[in-house]
Amino acid sequence: AQSVTQLGSHVSVSEGALVLLRCNYSSSVPPYLFWYVQYPNQGLQLLLKYTTGATLVKGINGFEAEFKKSETSFHLTKPSAHMSDAAEYFCAVSEDDKIIFGKGTRLHILP
Amino acid sequence: DSGVTQTPKHLITATGQRVTLRCSPRSGDLSVYWYQQSLDQGLQFLIQYYNGEERAKGNILERFSAQQFPDLHSELNLSSLELGDSALYFCASSVEGRRANEQFFGPGTRLTVL
Repeated sequence: AQSVTQLGSHVSVSEGALVLLRCNYSSSVPPYLFWYVQYPNQGLQLLLKYTTGATLVKGINGFEAEFKKSETSFHLTKPSAHMSDAAEYFCAVSEDDKIIFGKGTRLHILP
Repeated sequence: DSGVTQTPKHLITATGQRVTLRCSPRSGDLSVYWYQQSLDQGLQFLIQYYNGEERAKGNILERFSAQQFPDLHSELNLSSLELGDSALYFCASSVEGRRANEQFFGPGTRLTVL
């Protein structure tokens, strides 16, 4: 059965610093992996996804993630945090036609 | 704006009552998904419909039911409501029902059960 673990329910970084949000998954088949972002009082928006091919995936707003099969990880990074990045981030895995989401990581940006 | 609409935005009701949440998918999307988001359970997949037919089921209670109509809009019916049903309910849609497809989320319906 598929599952997703996001390490850290809250992460704080200074503006301009590196953002690293961790995600580990389990899946019995090659996974499809997603990162979604949820801004306050809004629905979720896709940041990026990995299906097949290149393991480094670039998304919107300067985010990227790298699929590492050996580590069963799909960590999300951004070189330089901006105040507008403050939101909740969800990692998700899809094994069949449904998507299983992690519990989310709330990213706080410190001025 | 994702193109997915949900009504109502807020709903306040009492225990034991029944409510209906409505979702209109993006134009052209055939698949609709329902999720429940709460502080303790996180984002939980409830059910998926594809072109009017149930495609996948998640952690949906027997008190909950859903359907997708010929015009592709969907309704989630919640009955015999309990305090613990208070949550944000999201609808999402995708072009097809395949796992690689991006899901577009609506703004959600916040349900408060008193």
